Amino acid sequence: SQQGEEDPQALSIQEGENATMNCSYKTSINNLQWYRQNSGRGLVHLILIRSNEREKHSGRLRVTLDTSKKSSSLLITASRAADTASYFCATVRGGADGLTFGKGTHLIIQP
Amino acid sequence: NAGVTQTPKFRVLKTGQSMTLLCAQDMNHEYMYWYRQDPGMGLRLIHYSVGEGTTAKGEVPDGYNVSRLKKQNFLLGLESAAPSQTSVYFCASSSRGGQLQETQYFGPGTRLLVL
Repeated sequence: SQQGEEDPQALSIQEGENATMNCSYKTSINNLQWYRQNSGRGLVHLILIRSNEREKHSGRLRVTLDTSKKSSSLLITASRAADTASYFCATVRGGADGLTFGKGTHLIIQP
Repeated sequence: NAGVTQTPKFRVLKTGQSMTLLCAQDMNHEYMYWYRQDPGMGLRLIHYSVGEGTTAKGEVPDGYNVSRLKKQNFLLGLESAAPSQTSVYFCASSSRGGQLQETQYFGPGTRLLVL
């Protein structure tokens, strides 16, 4: 079962614009993670935000977490062509090990 | 420091054949995982290991077996491949798991086609 669900499924923007994607989840979490996957490659970890944190930054990335709404957002500022990829949110599987991933948001940055 | 490596990168099998996928990590991580990724489905956990000599079932374990004889290696076996096992397989490792799950580090993936 999918714990996290990303929205939108696909997003196309112009280079230089900001990109925002959202993730909703169903059960309580200790932390939520965002990963990036370039076409044909493995996943790369971007940010981990803990349940007692509301916002976290890493370079051009900003992640927010609202545990009351069971949602998170990933903002990429000043997008670049190299940001074209699929972005996944992941949460810990309830009562077990491993991560549960959403289906991802496919981001396309138009030059 | 190679991180997480997977072999082979690509394989074609006929229905009923068997094969083993190898995952190796050089980060001294206790936790290792096998996922499969299908179009439009995201990643789903097949099996995982919380330490050398241990294995446990994930979300979609049927048709697969695993072994963790050495801390750095995690093997995924398909005893009798089926077309439904056509997928991209990813291995990952992490220093902590369970409810204290930390960052998972992923390998580059193995593309498997079962005819």
